[in-house]
Amino acid sequence: GDSVTQMEGPVTLSEEAFLTINCTYTATGYPSLFWYVQYPGEGLQLLLKATKADDKGSNKGFEATYRKETTSFHLEKGSVQVSDSAVYFCALSGDGATNKLIFGTGTLLAVQP
Amino acid sequence: GAGVSQSPSNKVTEKGKDVELRCDPISGHTALYWYRQSLGQGLEFLIYFQGNSAPDKSGLPSDRFSAERTGGSVSTLTIQRTQQEDSAVYLCASARGRAEAFFGQGTRLTVV
Repeated sequence: GDSVTQMEGPVTLSEEAFLTINCTYTATGYPSLFWYVQYPGEGLQLLLKATKADDKGSNKGFEATYRKETTSFHLEKGSVQVSDSAVYFCALSGDGATNKLIFGTGTLLAVQP
Repeated sequence: GAGVSQSPSNKVTEKGKDVELRCDPISGHTALYWYRQSLGQGLEFLIYFQGNSAPDKSGLPSDRFSAERTGGSVSTLTIQRTQQEDSAVYLCASARGRAEAFFGQGTRLTVV
């Protein structure tokens, strides 16, 4: 079945460092891919998405490119801030009959001043 | 309403009691999900409704858990004979087909 694998956390960075959180997926066909973010004490919210191969989703300085050849959707940011500290979830929605939303296990990012 | 609404926001119940958690999805969204998130943990899928199709119940942890969605809109998650291990935040989300899902703020359930 469809699945999402993302890197284990926690990831601890200094402010202004470069961020990469790896995400790979297993799915048939052409799923839609998402990154969600959960700030401390808050609910999940969509950060960015991509719906077809080679699409780049971007928001708040974060980017992720849908790579069909490597089945990946890695999250990147050039210069993180303390306010980016949160849990990041990679997710996919398949293009099959059910198109259920499937999440990775989440990666905790802690940015230190 | 503008977003996904869940009620109650907090629920404290005694072990062995039944609880009902409610989710009002965004109007027009055909997909509705329930997830569970324990402290410091990821999202545990519980159940998924999509239009008029039979729900995907593959994530329900035991037969004490059930959910229904009436009229393709409001959903209720019922936990019977609650146990302490049921304590968690229960999250509801809705989506229009394969589009991104929108989450409610969750119901924090504490079983004492």
